[in-house]
Amino acid sequence: KAGVTQTPRYLIKTRGQQVTLSCSPISGHRSVSWYQQTPGQGLQFLFEYFSETQRNKGNFPGRFSGRQFSNSRSEMNVSTLELGDSALYLCASSPRGETNEKLFFGSGTQLSVL
Amino acid sequence: AQSVAQPEDQVNVAEGNPLTVKCTYSVSGNPYLFWYVQYPNRGLQFLLKYITGDNLVKGSYGFEAEFNKSQTSFHLKKPSALVSDSALYFCAVRESGRNSGAGSYQLTFGKGTKLSVIP
Repeated sequence: KAGVTQTPRYLIKTRGQQVTLSCSPISGHRSVSWYQQTPGQGLQFLFEYFSETQRNKGNFPGRFSGRQFSNSRSEMNVSTLELGDSALYLCASSPRGETNEKLFFGSGTQLSVL
Repeated sequence: AQSVAQPEDQVNVAEGNPLTVKCTYSVSGNPYLFWYVQYPNRGLQFLLKYITGDNLVKGSYGFEAEFNKSQTSFHLKKPSALVSDSALYFCAVRESGRNSGAGSYQLTFGKGTKLSVIP
């Protein structure tokens, strides 16, 4: 079974641009979560989707948005990029979106904003 | 609100010695607790979890963790460290229960502890 796949692996953008990151969960997994990882802040929760519905959102500005498609694939979008958005963005999936389930993580998208 | 603290940014241990990576948590109700490991330029890999039952949980690669409710701790341990165990370790918590609200879908992580095993 293929793992969680995130594309692209690396991205370089300039301030003010927008970016879209993609995540394909493990086949059959219905929940997808997104996290931002930086050296100073660690892992911070962005949002979680289950069956195309956003169930929870972290404390990020409205420039950060996401969606989930009917095949459970998910995208996140960051508009008007800032230097501080440079980070590793991790996607994770779980089968039924239940709170006792472990998450399966992708390798992440490394975003650099210049 | 749920939170996790990993008091040590870095832990150094000699190969063959026992290792402990500390974690304390805070939740309103009962916790679901997890440990993950991250190798350079990779995503996180699941090690083990505590849901209910025995306080000592055994996981992957010889790791185990002990749940202590009175001390709200969930320390990660291994009897004999290997050089290949060198990595970044994250503790995480969710609040259990159907009435925990939307926040329970969020897995809250500690800031991570860098483990270095010295040959």
